[in-house]
Amino acid sequence: GNSVTQMEGPVTLSEEAFLTINCTYTATGYPSLFWYVQYPGEGLQLLLKATKADDKGSNKGFEATYRKETTSFHLEKGSVQVSDSAVYFCALTPYTGRRALTFGSGTRLQVQP
Amino acid sequence: SQTIHQWPATLVQPVGSPLSLECTVEGTSNPNLYWYRQAAGRGLQLLFYSVGIGQISSEVPQNLSASRPQDRQFILSSKKLLLSDSGFYLCAWSVYRGDSPLHFGNGTRLTVT
Repeated sequence: GNSVTQMEGPVTLSEEAFLTINCTYTATGYPSLFWYVQYPGEGLQLLLKATKADDKGSNKGFEATYRKETTSFHLEKGSVQVSDSAVYFCALTPYTGRRALTFGSGTRLQVQP
Repeated sequence: SQTIHQWPATLVQPVGSPLSLECTVEGTSNPNLYWYRQAAGRGLQLLFYSVGIGQISSEVPQNLSASRPQDRQFILSSKKLLLSDSGFYLCAWSVYRGDSPLHFGNGTRLTVT
């Protein structure tokens, strides 16, 4: 079946540090890949997505590249801010079949001033 | 533009009591609808999804049920709550397309006492 594995958190960084949150997946075919962000007490918001190999999704300074050869979709940001503190979820939806997302367990990011 | 409404935002219920959480979507027709649960400190678990009125697929066996009485209305119910039903419940919608993201409501925090 489909699955997503994320690095465990929390990840604690100082403001302006470089961020990487690792995500690897298992799926048949060509899934679409997503990163969602959840701020405290809120629902999930789509951060970025990529739908085919070598696509790069980007938004708000965050980037992730769809790497089929390593089945990875790592999230990166060059300079984090305190306002980036949240839980980040990697997710996939399969190419065929039901469209429901399969999520990773989430990684909490804490950015200190 | 499309919006999703989920209520109530918080709920405290005793063990054995019934549950009804409601979700409605505006600005789109024939959406796919989903209920997810997020247990404390854990990832998201898909509970139910629906591709049309009266069409419900259950992902995990449990004492919860879902119904879709109207095209843009999705209801999560239980006849008798268990302590293990505590968690953060999220409703979401998407269009039926492989790379379409999910759009989430703000969630309901349920505490069963």
